[in-house]
Amino acid sequence: NAGVTQTPKFRVLKTGQSMTLLCAQDMNHEYMYWYRQDPGMGLRLIHYSVGEGTTAKGEVPDGYNVSRLKKQNFLLGLESAAPSQTSVYFCASSYPIAGDLSTDTQYFGPGTRLTVL
Amino acid sequence: KQEVTQIPAALSVPEGENLVLNCSFTDSAIYNLQWFRQDPGKGLTSLLLIQSSQREQTSGRLNASLDKSSGRSTLYIAASQPGDSATYLCAVPASGGSYIPTFGRGTSLIVHP
Repeated sequence: NAGVTQTPKFRVLKTGQSMTLLCAQDMNHEYMYWYRQDPGMGLRLIHYSVGEGTTAKGEVPDGYNVSRLKKQNFLLGLESAAPSQTSVYFCASSYPIAGDLSTDTQYFGPGTRLTVL
Repeated sequence: KQEVTQIPAALSVPEGENLVLNCSFTDSAIYNLQWFRQDPGKGLTSLLLIQSSQREQTSGRLNASLDKSSGRSTLYIAASQPGDSATYLCAVPASGGSYIPTFGRGTSLIVHP
């Protein structure tokens, strides 16, 4: 199993450009998440999904959109990139065993390093 | 709002020492607590998951304990090695019965030979 994969690994954008980050998981997990990690700020949740076709806002959703058209994929879009969106983006997935949320364990992808000039 | 604090923020020790990393949280109504390891430039790797009904979990030289009533967890690393050098993060679900995790800012550990 590849686990959680993210595409691309690195990207440089100019202000105002758009792009989509792809997250894919092969573990049949229901839940998927997008985080950003910034120095001194820790990991912050952008958006998440509890199943195919559903999405919800996290702590810092402004400037981002997401889609979960297939269970195994979770896309993060930046419509008009800003320098404040320079960050490392992590995708994660999880699945509570037999619906027991106390067993819900997150698995992370390797990250995408995005620079917006 | 769930607040997660990790102390110390950074730690540098000689090889062989036994270590204790601390994680505290403000809302004790949690499903579980998870400890992660992050190497520089890499993603997070799950180390241990402690369910709310459990008091501790062990994996090799790692032992994590959970005291929900006091809002604390500790990660104990026995006989530390240079390969243990990394940032260690804890995560607990957000407040209000949510299962969405809130992360601490981590403890950066350096173990020197």
